[in-house]
Amino acid sequence: AQTVTQSQPEMSVQEAETVTLSCTYDTSESDYYLFWYKQPPSRQMILVIRQEAYKQQNATENRFSVNFQKAAKSFSLKISDSQLGDAAMYFCAYRSAVLGRDDKIIFGKGTRLHILP
Amino acid sequence: DSGVTQTPKHLITATGQRVTLRCSPRSGDLSVYWYQQSLDQGLQFLIQYYNGEERAKGNILERFSAQQFPDLHSELNLSSLELGDSALYFCASSVDDAYTDTQYFGPGTRLTVL
Repeated sequence: AQTVTQSQPEMSVQEAETVTLSCTYDTSESDYYLFWYKQPPSRQMILVIRQEAYKQQNATENRFSVNFQKAAKSFSLKISDSQLGDAAMYFCAYRSAVLGRDDKIIFGKGTRLHILP
Repeated sequence: DSGVTQTPKHLITATGQRVTLRCSPRSGDLSVYWYQQSLDQGLQFLIQYYNGEERAKGNILERFSAQQFPDLHSELNLSSLELGDSALYFCASSVDDAYTDTQYFGPGTRLTVL
């Protein structure tokens, strides 16, 4: 069974600085998707960024980028120029891309990110 | 705004009761997923429906059931409620074809069982 581990329950970063959130996962599959979701105090789950396992290039969305290390099964999220609105719980998530498998997402326990003004 | 709607936003009820949570997926999305988020269990997948048919089951209790209707909206029914069922219930939807994998989440329904 696949698992997703976020080893940092909480992190803090100064506004305008850069922070990296860690995520590791375990799977025997070769084809899958990885996601970072953000859950602000409103509790809405917001997709931040996604990565296809077959792509070597790291995904980037504005100030958010990932460092995807497939061999190491590592998928970290880097937030540049941190803003107060980035304060939230961040979830790393895994989804199989194998046809015929169910489509559920497996989430890590989350990392709560605090932005210090 | 993800385009997924959930009603009600909040629900307060008593143990032993039954409630129904409703979800409308994004326009064009055929798959609906239900997740439960509680403090001790984190985010847990409950069940998935695709175009009206159950596709996958996760950690869903027998007291819970769901269905997806012809207009693709979905309902999650929770019965014989217990204190431990208090949680945030999310619905997510996706187009669900071989090339599109992203699930978009609704705002959630917060259930409090007293």
